[in-house]
Amino acid sequence: KAGVTQTPRYLIKTRGQQVTLSCSPISGHRSVSWYQQTPGQGLQFLFEYFSETQRNKGNFPGRFSGRQFSNSRSEMNVSTLELGDSALYLCASTPVGEGYGYTFGSGTRLTVV
Amino acid sequence: GEDVEQSLFLSVREGDSSVINCTYTDSSSTYLYWYKQEPGAGLQLLTYIFSNMDMKQDQRLTVLLNKKDKHLSLRIADTQTGDSAIYFCADDSGNTPLVFGKGTRLSVIA
Repeated sequence: KAGVTQTPRYLIKTRGQQVTLSCSPISGHRSVSWYQQTPGQGLQFLFEYFSETQRNKGNFPGRFSGRQFSNSRSEMNVSTLELGDSALYLCASTPVGEGYGYTFGSGTRLTVV
Repeated sequence: GEDVEQSLFLSVREGDSSVINCTYTDSSSTYLYWYKQEPGAGLQLLTYIFSNMDMKQDQRLTVLLNKKDKHLSLRIADTQTGDSAIYFCADDSGNTPLVFGKGTRLSVIA
């Protein structure tokens, strides 16, 4: 069974640009969550999608957005990149209804220069 | 908001047992998880415990939960150098996002 796939693995962008990250969940998993990991702030929740609807949103500015497609794949977008957006972005999928087990992907390492 | 606290560092000798501790504030936790993160990698789910359990054993891993004190621990028996990583405790209340601790960096000395 394939795991959670995140693309790309690494990304370097310039301040002011925008970026789109992709996450393909485990087959059959309908919920996808996104987290930002930085050395200073640790793991912070960005948003969660279930059946193409945003269920929860973390405390991030409106430059951070996401969406989920009918095949459960999800994308997150960051516009007007800032140096502080440099982080590891992790996606997790979970089989809603089974109660446990957030499976994480390997992440996308974003560096803003 | 809800909070999860962990000590930042732990150093043990190869072959010894490691105990990583975590405290949480949420009264409505459903599941509590332990994740492992190796350098450059994502989070690997090691084990979990349901909130109505006191203990769970899975090979070298033992999870203890004291719900009254909101204290969770992960014991790794016969710790190996391959266990060197950062370990995260996470609190799952069901309909709200996971809340993670800052992680405990485990160093295993050969």
